[in-house]
Order: sequence, then C-alpha cells, then structure tokens
Amino acid sequence: DAKTTQPTSMDCAEGRAANLPCNHSTISGNEYVYWYRQIHSQGPQYIIHGLKNNETNEMASLIITEDRKSSTLILPHATLRDTAVYYCIVRSTGANSKLTFGKGITLSVRP
Amino acid sequence: DAGVTQSPTHLIKTRGQQVTLRCSPKSGHDTVSWYQQALGQGPQFIFQYYEEEERQRGNFPDRFSGHQFPNYSSELNVNALLLGDSALYLCASSFTGTGTSYEQYFGPGTRLTVT
Repeated sequence: DAKTTQPTSMDCAEGRAANLPCNHSTISGNEYVYWYRQIHSQGPQYIIHGLKNNETNEMASLIITEDRKSSTLILPHATLRDTAVYYCIVRSTGANSKLTFGKGITLSVRP
Repeated sequence: DAGVTQSPTHLIKTRGQQVTLRCSPKSGHDTVSWYQQALGQGPQFIFQYYEEEERQRGNFPDRFSGHQFPNYSSELNVNALLLGDSALYLCASSFTGTGTSYEQYFGPGTRLTVT
C-alpha cells in the first residue's frame, strides 16, 4: 500500500472548518483514500473514503486532487468533540486488505 | 444494533504468561482483523480472519495466534508475554462481499499491561 504524509498537528477554532491535508504521491490506480479518527483511548472511527471523486457524508467531505497525489478532509463546522488524531490511509481494493496506519495528525479544536 | 465488542476492557499480566482477548463483530460482518497500538503510535496490523482461517498476517511473531468461531467471533492469543507486548489491542470487523471497498469498524480495545 502507498505511504501517506500528514502534518503532525493543527488546530482550529470551534465552529470553523477544519481542513486536514494528506499527501499520497505514490498512490496507484486501484488504491482508495480512507480517513479514520481516534479520540483519546477509543478505537478508531471510520469517517469517509474515496477513489477519485470528491465524497461527502454526514461527518465530513473528502476532496481528492485530479492527479490523486493528495487529498483534504474537511470538517465543515468543527466542535470540541472533533479533537482527535486523524489518520489518512491509502488502501488497495480487493478482498478486505489491511489498514496501514501512520502516526496521523492531531487536530485540536479550541473554544 | 451492537457494534464491535471486546473483552476484557483492561488486563494486567506478568511477563511469560499467556493471554486471550475476545472480540464479537458488528452484526452482519464476517471478517475480523486485529491490531496492536503501542502508546503514541498508530495501530499495527496483526492478522485477519475470514471463514475461520487466517487470511492475512502482519509482521508479528508466532507467539501471536488467533481463532475465528462459526459465529464469526474471534480470539487473539499471545504466549510468553514480553514487556513490549503492553499495548491497546483493537479488533475491527468488516464484511467480505463482492464489492471493492470494505470499511472496517473498530471496537473500543483491550488495554494489556505486562509487568
């Protein structure tokens, strides 16, 4: 699976949009971009995934560049409960391949 | 609909002992993956079970073994515990179907401390 690069940390104000970047320059054509988050001492929580089109669900939006070498997770109105470690993962399709986690980005939402 | 459940929540063992951790997958899921998360690190893949067989394995020694039961629940066994085995052990379940992407849903984890 391709490797991803994320900043170590970022913060944003409550109520504002949080834009979390991820680089995956070696991604191949059959690999998806997945985002998970982990709130302190809990199991990771699935957020969203995409292949090449932008995706949106009730939690977030995922914007993937046309060349697919980078993506941005957008939390449109961050709350204090969004404070967590966010993991960007590139994962191959096929029979339920493993998730390869990096260190992720720590998002701190301030009041 | 219950999500992924794990037991026990916390566990303290002595070096050299053996431990068994348990996982019940989310309803409708048939695949279970196990991950180890050391403090300050991202989760690391141990292995995955489907149809009661180990389908994939990460870079973990044979001291780590597992089992999947006909009801899709799973156990993780670790023999000859080392201090370095202290970690949060996470179970994730998913459904293996005919699609091409499979979200994995995680349980709350079991915190293992080896003294």
